[in-house]
Amino acid sequence: DAGVIQSPRHEVTEMGQEVTLRCKPISGHNSLFWYRQTMMRGLELLIYFNNNVPIDDSGMPEDRFSAKMPNASFSTLKIQPSEPRDSAVYFCASSSYYGYTFGSGTRLTVV
Amino acid sequence: AQSVSQHNHHVILSEAASLELGCNYSYGGTVNLFWYVQYPGQHLQLLLKYFSGDPLVKGIKGFEAEFIKSKFSFNLRKPSVQWSDTAEYFCAVNVRNSGGYQKVTFGIGTKLQVIP
Repeated sequence: DAGVIQSPRHEVTEMGQEVTLRCKPISGHNSLFWYRQTMMRGLELLIYFNNNVPIDDSGMPEDRFSAKMPNASFSTLKIQPSEPRDSAVYFCASSSYYGYTFGSGTRLTVV
Repeated sequence: AQSVSQHNHHVILSEAASLELGCNYSYGGTVNLFWYVQYPGQHLQLLLKYFSGDPLVKGIKGFEAEFIKSKFSFNLRKPSVQWSDTAEYFCAVNVRNSGGYQKVTFGIGTKLQVIP
């Protein structure tokens, strides 16, 4: 199994631009999670899906953030417009009952 | 809602010293407990987990953790650390919420620095 696959690994963009982060979960895992990690706030849960349905998006910072999971093998996290304070590492994770598997993350830098 | 507390945010040890990282959770029901490790520049990886049975759990790389239900604790230990153990360690709790969905809550993390 290739694990959880995220793309891109690194993204540098200008303030105001739209950013789309992508995630392919492990086949058979029915839950998918998006996290943001920064030095100041640590690991924050943004949103999670169960069977492709968003269950809890209370961690999404504001309306500029949106996430979709159109099918069991793909999810996107979009930021529009991006701001410098969005700079962070964004992790996707999928889970079975036995725990999470994390992707390698996308390091986003908004300048 | 459940929460996870990690008491030490930054720990510095010399090689061969013993390690214990504290983790307490707040949830009255049945929980599954995890420790994850994040090496510099990498993603989180599962170190060990507790579901049921023997409360002393052994994981990879010589790590172990003990679940003490009465103290709501799941402390991570290693008898002798190595420089390669330098990483950030996250305690996590998995509960089934009222909607029947699994949700994992992570602690804030403990940065371990091992000095050669």
